[in-house]
Amino acid sequence: QQQVKQSPQSLIVQKGGISIINCAYENTAFDYFPWYQQFPGKGPALLIAIRPDVSEKKEGRFTISFNKSAKQFSLHIMDSQPGDSATYFCAAGTGTASKLTFGTGTRLQVTL
Amino acid sequence: EAQVTQNPRYLITVTGKKLTVTCSQNMNHEYMSWYRQDPGLGLRQIYYSMNVEVTDKGDVPEGYKVSRKEKRNFPLILESPSPNQTSLYFCASSLRFPAGGGNQPQHFGDGTRLSIL
Repeated sequence: QQQVKQSPQSLIVQKGGISIINCAYENTAFDYFPWYQQFPGKGPALLIAIRPDVSEKKEGRFTISFNKSAKQFSLHIMDSQPGDSATYFCAAGTGTASKLTFGTGTRLQVTL
Repeated sequence: EAQVTQNPRYLITVTGKKLTVTCSQNMNHEYMSWYRQDPGLGLRQIYYSMNVEVTDKGDVPEGYKVSRKEKRNFPLILESPSPNQTSLYFCASSLRFPAGGGNQPQHFGDGTRLSIL
């Protein structure tokens, strides 16, 4: 059972454009929603995370938008750069469960 | 430098030959975890450990064993590997379980690519 559904599977964006990756979850007990960034040959690294008490969190060019009623959250990358080309994973977890459930990943390519 | 170290990085082996992938962290983290990454399936948790001598199954534990005798080490053991265990494996650690109070990011190793023929 896929508890966190991520889309699209792959995304090509021009330099300077906005990249948007979406995730939907089923478990209403989830209360922690991180995004991880993975470069080829490396492990994932935490990019940004949000808790459901806020609807948006911004760190530099990266923004998480969270819609609790729709059980959806998304990552927006403003002014996308070639260096942002990577695979992005959303995830969800709860304070009482000792694990994160990851989405299937989105491969982002930013072209010149 | 704070890091999670996995060894080996690459391994090609044959069905049924026992193997161990080691994982070590130098951040005094309590929580450690193993994931496998497969195309189209994302990261799936195999086992995790809340602390020394405390381990539990993740989502896909079949065919794997782990142990946590020391805080810094969390080896993944495949007693009788099969081709369906061919995958990219990641070890991760965090101060406490990843969704605990405050941001508790998981730190990942660089992965072990395992091929079982």
